[in-house]
Amino acid sequence: GENVGLHLPTLSVQEGDNSIINCAYSNSASDYFIWYKQESGKGPQFIIDIRSNMDKRQGQRVTVLLNKTVKHLSLQIAATQPGDSAVYFCAENRHTGNQFYFGTGTSLTVIP
Amino acid sequence: NAGVTQTPKFQVLKTGQSMTLQCAQDMNHEYMSWYRQDPGMGLRLIHYSVGAGITDQGEVPNGYNVSRSTTEDFPLRLLSAAPSQTSVYFCASTRGVNTEAFFGQGTRLTVV
Repeated sequence: GENVGLHLPTLSVQEGDNSIINCAYSNSASDYFIWYKQESGKGPQFIIDIRSNMDKRQGQRVTVLLNKTVKHLSLQIAATQPGDSAVYFCAENRHTGNQFYFGTGTSLTVIP
Repeated sequence: NAGVTQTPKFQVLKTGQSMTLQCAQDMNHEYMSWYRQDPGMGLRLIHYSVGAGITDQGEVPNGYNVSRSTTEDFPLRLLSAAPSQTSVYFCASTRGVNTEAFFGQGTRLTVV
């Protein structure tokens, strides 16, 4: 079946540096994407979303880029902080039943 | 608002036992879903509902049943638990099409 996948399972960055987490999706019909953050023992938390009619969206310290041509998403975190250490998932909405399909996740570790 | 509430938080079952994982949301969301999360993997969709009285299968529905008699509640039933169902289960709700999904804190289930 089709999956949402991530290029890197783990990422370590120095505090204060910028982080980039990548995600590939394979369903060209998906038109809505979300990045979630999951801390140990907790449920996923919304970070930022983007619709397919956009190629970039910015939030507070985070930016999501969407490249529909190559079916690629990225999450950029500026000035990474220790509190950003978590697993990050991208999720695509394939419209059927308005449900989300998740990638395997990237574990981000911020080194103080 | 409490958001999405899951009970219990932890459960140990013996092979062959049955149980129901509870999920309730107080946001009047139409869409609800159940996911399981296994180590090293992302969240996989088990079942979902687009409104009271309507349910459908996701990626990994075998061994699980759901019903949606009210907008607020979406219980997940394991009829005959198997060790392969050892996992962390998350319930989510969504207000509408192409909007974020809100997650509960999860139920950690162990089947021995």
